[in-house]
Amino acid sequence: AQSVTQLGSHVSVSEGALVLLRCNYSSSVPPYLFWYVQYPNQGLQLLLKYTTGATLVKGINGFEAEFKKSETSFHLTKPSAHMSDAAEYFCAVITSASKIIFGSGTRLSIRP
Amino acid sequence: GAGVSQTPSNKVTEKGKYVELRCDPISGHTALYWYRQSLGQGPEFLIYFQGTGAADDSGLPNDRFFAVRPEGSVSTLKIQRTERGDSAVYLCASSAEGFNNEQFFGPGTRLTVL
Repeated sequence: AQSVTQLGSHVSVSEGALVLLRCNYSSSVPPYLFWYVQYPNQGLQLLLKYTTGATLVKGINGFEAEFKKSETSFHLTKPSAHMSDAAEYFCAVITSASKIIFGSGTRLSIRP
Repeated sequence: GAGVSQTPSNKVTEKGKYVELRCDPISGHTALYWYRQSLGQGPEFLIYFQGTGAADDSGLPNDRFFAVRPEGSVSTLKIQRTERGDSAVYLCASSAEGFNNEQFFGPGTRLTVL
């Protein structure tokens, strides 16, 4: 069975600081991994995805994530946080049956 | 509209009542998914349609939950004899045919069972 674990339900950083949101996955087959963002009262939006190929994936709004097979991780980073980055972030894996398994989410807060 | 739409945006009902939640996918998307998101949790898969048929309904929690997609476009999630534990945001997503195509999510329907 496939699953994802997000470490830290809430992360708070200062504006301009590095953002690091942690995600570890479990999969018996090569995983397809995603990060989604959910702004208040809005739908989920895809930030980035890893399927095959380059392990460093760049997404929208300056976010990127690196697939590390040896660590079974897919951490999300952004060099410099902006106030508009405040949202809920979900790591996810897609199963062979095309359904997405989401982590429990990490709420990102940005301090002025 | 260009995106996935869901109606109503909010639904308040009493315990034991029947509710229907509607999803309009992106035009041309053959795959449609329903997820449920409880407070403080990530979305959980309920059911997946490919065309008119339910390809995977393994996430439906019990037989009070049922979903249809009779013409391969609009889908309705139906919940009978609602319980307070059914309170959640119900999300719909659609994607083009093919494995691993991006799923586009609607804004959700917030269901509150009193």
